[in-house]
Amino acid sequence: EPEVTQTPSHQVTQMGQEVILRCVPISNHLYFYWYRQILGQKVEFLVSFYNNEISEKSEIFDDQFSVERPDGSNFTLKIRSTKLEDSAMYFCASRGMKGWAEKLFFGSGTQLSVL
Amino acid sequence: AQTVTQSQPEMSVQEAETVTLSCTYDTSENNYYLFWYKQPPSRQMILVIRQEAYKQQNATENRFSVNFQKAAKSFSLKISDSQLGDTAMYFCAFAAPQGGSEKLVFGKGTKLTVNP
Repeated sequence: EPEVTQTPSHQVTQMGQEVILRCVPISNHLYFYWYRQILGQKVEFLVSFYNNEISEKSEIFDDQFSVERPDGSNFTLKIRSTKLEDSAMYFCASRGMKGWAEKLFFGSGTQLSVL
Repeated sequence: AQTVTQSQPEMSVQEAETVTLSCTYDTSENNYYLFWYKQPPSRQMILVIRQEAYKQQNATENRFSVNFQKAAKSFSLKISDSQLGDTAMYFCAFAAPQGGSEKLVFGKGTKLTVNP
């Protein structure tokens, strides 16, 4: 089965530093997403991205967050100035053109720890 | 706004037995999708089963089946012949594309432990 790949698997950073989380979605997919999960809590939607622009974002996705698809294969999430409360598992996901009738593929996640 | 409620924070079952995990949701949409995801200790999100709201027939995938009650807005997951590998967090999730939304809304999860 095809896979969504996320790197790194773990990222440790100091508060106030910038981090970039990287994802390689499945090659023929067109919809891309970031979700996050604070330890012990539910998975929360951050942002969706289609046709090279943000299609939807949550209240969590404030000015400190940005997404980019720089080269047609990678999909990145940048946090400009990390806060302690940004510590979470960040999941990238992708799917094809057929809407929710198609499976949404999740990556294995990047565990971000902000110290 | 759509909400998903899982009222059982933790459940346990004996190996080979059957267990049912509950999920209710709230929406004003008529066309939507419901999902159960499994999250083992590795924390990867694995799709277990999916149900389209317009389909009356309950979805099944091998040992996993759902009881979808649209009027009651209920979507429970039944795991038959439970196996040790079924031990995981299980999340119920909802998507309503007709509302123009792209997001999955998750419940808080049920931690399932299968005992030998």
